[in-house]
Amino acid sequence: DTGVSQNPRHKITKRGQNVTFRCDPISEHNRLYWYRQTLGQGPEFLTYFQNEAQLEKSRLLSDRFSAERPKGSFSTLEIQRTEQGDSAMYLCASSLFGQESNQPQHFGDGTRLSIL
Amino acid sequence: EDKVVQSPLSLVVHEGDTVTLNCSYEVTNFRSLLWYKQEKKAPTFLFMLTSSGIEKKSGRLSSILDKKELSSILNITATQTGDSAIYLCAPAPLVFGKGTRLSVIA
Repeated sequence: DTGVSQNPRHKITKRGQNVTFRCDPISEHNRLYWYRQTLGQGPEFLTYFQNEAQLEKSRLLSDRFSAERPKGSFSTLEIQRTEQGDSAMYLCASSLFGQESNQPQHFGDGTRLSIL
Repeated sequence: EDKVVQSPLSLVVHEGDTVTLNCSYEVTNFRSLLWYKQEKKAPTFLFMLTSSGIEKKSGRLSSILDKKELSSILNITATQTGDSAIYLCAPAPLVFGKGTRLSVIA
């Protein structure tokens, strides 16, 4: 399967712990996006990369959240000192961006985070 | 601030009905509008609309963009239970609507 892969699929942790998620995009895609989705809402943008450069972060993103894409391939999203409000599905998507237009994003199945 | 409004938020229809889902938007640097279908897991791509007035079709689904009205519609004809899902509109890569939850009952 050459789609977007996310690990782990589920994460349950206690409040205050740090968590890290991984996303492996489609190999030829240069853009990688992180979203958060809660019940009844559409995906909420968190941040995105073009190759290894982080181009934008949501203004709503707490400084407890950090993301990296060190070699322009896989990416990690870390949440420090987790809070109950962080419970959500974390979605990763990738796309191929060219000069003419953006291409559709391909989403992974997400990591569901539950904070106890 | 970018805005996306989808309507209705939820819809229940019987198999065989035709439905129209709406998306209106206000975004800066608009390039294209995308429609996605989300069942239990990840959103899956349906359509990308760049030009106004040109209908895109895929089987029983079709969509069209109106740049003057800053809106798009997604039509599904002869609905089936497998069409039950949340339909998401994204007028920019970073902005999604809340979605329309469609339930098709036999």
